[in-house]
Amino acid sequence: SQELEQSPQSLIVQEGKNLTINCTSSKTLYGLYWYKQKYGEGLIFLMMLQKGGEEKSHEKITAKLDEKKQQSSLHITASQPSHAGIYLCGADESGGGSNTGNQFYFGTGTSLTVIP
Amino acid sequence: SAVISQKPSRDICQRGTSLTIQCQVDSQVTMMFWYRQQPGQSLTLIATANQGSEATYESGFVIDKFPISRPNLTFSTLTVSNMSPEDSSIYLCSVAGRLSYNEQFFGPGTRLTVL
Repeated sequence: SQELEQSPQSLIVQEGKNLTINCTSSKTLYGLYWYKQKYGEGLIFLMMLQKGGEEKSHEKITAKLDEKKQQSSLHITASQPSHAGIYLCGADESGGGSNTGNQFYFGTGTSLTVIP
Repeated sequence: SAVISQKPSRDICQRGTSLTIQCQVDSQVTMMFWYRQQPGQSLTLIATANQGSEATYESGFVIDKFPISRPNLTFSTLTVSNMSPEDSSIYLCSVAGRLSYNEQFFGPGTRLTVL
């Protein structure tokens, strides 16, 4: 099975500061997913990366997958209190397409607190 | 997106008893997933439940311990049988997006404590 290491475990930043969360795998990732979870809510899908070197952005959040497809980073620019929550990376080990569905494995999560 | 509800949101149970967790989705979905998140550990997939077929269990999880029902396209249950304190965990159901299996939407979770 996939093992995903996430760092840091928790992060406290001042509003307006930039931050980075890392997700590292011992295996090649077929698909790397980033999720955000607020307390009492379900996991919210942020973005998915599949290709080595791929980078995607959504508002002030940018995610990258390295060329070897074993490490991903999530970068938040000019953080805001609304960014607070738990960020989870997840990996698709199956490599299958839509006919097989995806089986997910997750990192331990990073708890982000943004101080106004 | 999909709106998912789970019942109960939390429960405290005695060792040796069983608890059934319900998962309701506001739209029809083909694939539903059940996860467990034990304290300090990552989310772990228990099984995949497709309507009309037997659930597919991941390594380390068996049907006798975690029987799953999937009677229709909007509902599923997970039963944690013959519970022990090691089963204390958050249990989450999720569904795959209708347009793409590259998305998943999660319920709020059921926090289970076994005494």
